[in-house]
Amino acid sequence: QQQVKQSPQSLIVQKGGISIINCAYENTAFDYFPWYQQFPGKGPALLIAIRPDVSEKKEGRFTISFNKSAKQFSLHIMDSQPGDSATYFCAASLNSGGSNYKLTFGKGTLLTVNP
Amino acid sequence: NAGVMQNPRHLVRRRGQEARLRCSPMKGHSHVYWYRQLPEEGLKFMVYLQKENIIDESGMPKERFSAEFPKEGPSILRIQQVVRGDSAAYFCASSPTAGTGGYGYTFGSGTRLTVV
Repeated sequence: QQQVKQSPQSLIVQKGGISIINCAYENTAFDYFPWYQQFPGKGPALLIAIRPDVSEKKEGRFTISFNKSAKQFSLHIMDSQPGDSATYFCAASLNSGGSNYKLTFGKGTLLTVNP
Repeated sequence: NAGVMQNPRHLVRRRGQEARLRCSPMKGHSHVYWYRQLPEEGLKFMVYLQKENIIDESGMPKERFSAEFPKEGPSILRIQQVVRGDSAAYFCASSPTAGTGGYGYTFGSGTRLTVV
């Protein structure tokens, strides 16, 4: 059972455009939603994260939008740059309770930003 | 601060051999997590260890896989009698305290295991 569904699988955007990646989750007990960026040959690195008590969080060109009722969240990359080309993973976890250390990842989105 | 160090970066094993993957956590981090990334899949949790203790191994295959984090030295993920389906990238993460939702996690660059 895939608990976090991510789309699209791949995305091509022109430089300066907006990249949008969507995720949906099933477990209503999830209450921490990070996004990770992974370059080829590297491990995932935390990009930005949100908790469900807010509907949006912005850090520089990166914004997370969160819709608790729809159990969906998305990553928006404004003014996309070639250096943003990477694989992006959404994830979810419990904030409390016995397994709050465990991340459940989506399958990833390969973003290519053309110059 | 050298970050989370994993070695080897690439490992090739023949079917039936053993694979040993090492992870040295960041300085000051005593919590280690192993994740596996199959081709075109997201990372999947395998095991959570603290020094000398396995806290949660719910994601580990029941057979052939084991993990340890001794008092001294790196954490080791051991795969006995490897099969082609074990080919994947194995990532280790560490955190200074029990990571809440991965907060405070730092991932290593991974070990790419290829079974031929």
